[in-house]
Amino acid sequence: SSELTQDPAVSVALGQTVRITCQGDSLRSYYASWYQQKPGQAPVLVIYGKNNRPSGIPDRFSGSSSGNTASLTITGAQAEDEADYYCNSRDSSGNRPFGGGTKLTVL
Amino acid sequence: QVQLQQWGAGLLKPSETLSLTCAVYGGSFSGYYWSWIRQPPGKGLEWIGEINHSGSTNYNPSLKSRVTISVDTSKNQFSLKLSSVTAADTAVYYCARNGLERRGYYYYYYMDVWGKGTTVTVSS
Repeated sequence: SSELTQDPAVSVALGQTVRITCQGDSLRSYYASWYQQKPGQAPVLVIYGKNNRPSGIPDRFSGSSSGNTASLTITGAQAEDEADYYCNSRDSSGNRPFGGGTKLTVL
Repeated sequence: QVQLQQWGAGLLKPSETLSLTCAVYGGSFSGYYWSWIRQPPGKGLEWIGEINHSGSTNYNPSLKSRVTISVDTSKNQFSLKLSSVTAADTAVYYCARNGLERRGYYYYYYMDVWGKGTTVTVSS
């Protein structure tokens, strides 16, 4: 199956650490990429590969993977991190499914 | 700096064909795959399909029967056609560049440049 599963919503206190997870069989073979999307805006790539950040992404964003689960960790969450987060991967057929998304609330 | 500019009809009637185009400015076109993604109102992202400069495609199995993605390398553009649209196809449609890096035995796949999105509404 190429489905990716995410928790619909997660909350974190300002300045604390939060982990957003993504589960799927394809993650045993392919790394996930993670996207941040704020209301009315296009998604932005924040993490890809084993733990790679594009230029301009703060180092409080990190990624990890184990078995069929990929994780996005925000260490010291800021108010501006409140957004929807989506994982994406590739499967053996060349498809590129997205997870259902996680709405992150910073309290 | 690579930029994607997309355009197309924003209002369609049921059974019509959706047609969108994405132009690539400021970077290599031939070295990448290029994707279309959509997002219905209030819902998550859905990958539609991808194409490379030589016209090789991959499509989401759930949309494959209605989707055609094509490329015009002379203009550094790629296009999406979705036939027989219904209200369920109402969404913001994005184009994106598929990045690819090889690290040892592994390949890293990602979408690193996105268009601003085009809102498509299907209504009678």
